[in-house]
Amino acid sequence: EPEVTQTPSHQVTQMGQEVILRCVPISNHLYFYWYRQILGQKVEFLVSFYNNEISEKSEIFDDQFSVERPDGSNFTLKIRSTKLEDSAMYFCASTPSQVNSPLHFGNGTRLTVT
Amino acid sequence: QQQVKQSPQSLIVQKGGISIINCAYENTAFDYFPWYQQFPGKGPALLIAIRPDVSEKKEGRFTISFNKSAKQFSLHIMDSQPGDSATYFCAASMLTGNQFYFGTGTSLTVIP
Repeated sequence: EPEVTQTPSHQVTQMGQEVILRCVPISNHLYFYWYRQILGQKVEFLVSFYNNEISEKSEIFDDQFSVERPDGSNFTLKIRSTKLEDSAMYFCASTPSQVNSPLHFGNGTRLTVT
Repeated sequence: QQQVKQSPQSLIVQKGGISIINCAYENTAFDYFPWYQQFPGKGPALLIAIRPDVSEKKEGRFTISFNKSAKQFSLHIMDSQPGDSATYFCAASMLTGNQFYFGTGTSLTVIP
């Protein structure tokens, strides 16, 4: 069964540094998402992406965050200047369509900001 | 504002018992209600989902009960097994939106 793959599985960075989290969505999917999960808490929506542009974003997704689909397969999340509170599991997800399609999640990248 | 409220936070069930997790929502525009199962170190995986035009959906040992008037839905796991031990999230989304709203999760432990 096709799956969403994320790299790296764990990223440690110092406060103020830039990080790029990478994802390869399922190949025939059209909608891409980033969610995050702070340890022990609920999964929170960050951003959705369709047709090479952001379609929706949450309050969490401020100017420090950006997303990009640099080629036909990768989907990246960049955090420009990391803060301690950015430490979380970041999940990439994709769906084949917008209408009531379940999210297919990757296994996540654990970001630790020190 | 918490769009989807989930309870209990944790649940311990004996093997063979029934696990019940409840969720409530506020926004009547929600029209798709999936449940996700998450094992440690893994991303959430779709378990079962329901739309509000039916009151119940069953897949194997997993059943969603949906009460549209009360704006509540629940997951029932029959004959719970130790392998069911995981965190379960309910979620909701709207036909016209991209965003899924997740509950706070329930940590289920099934004791052999």
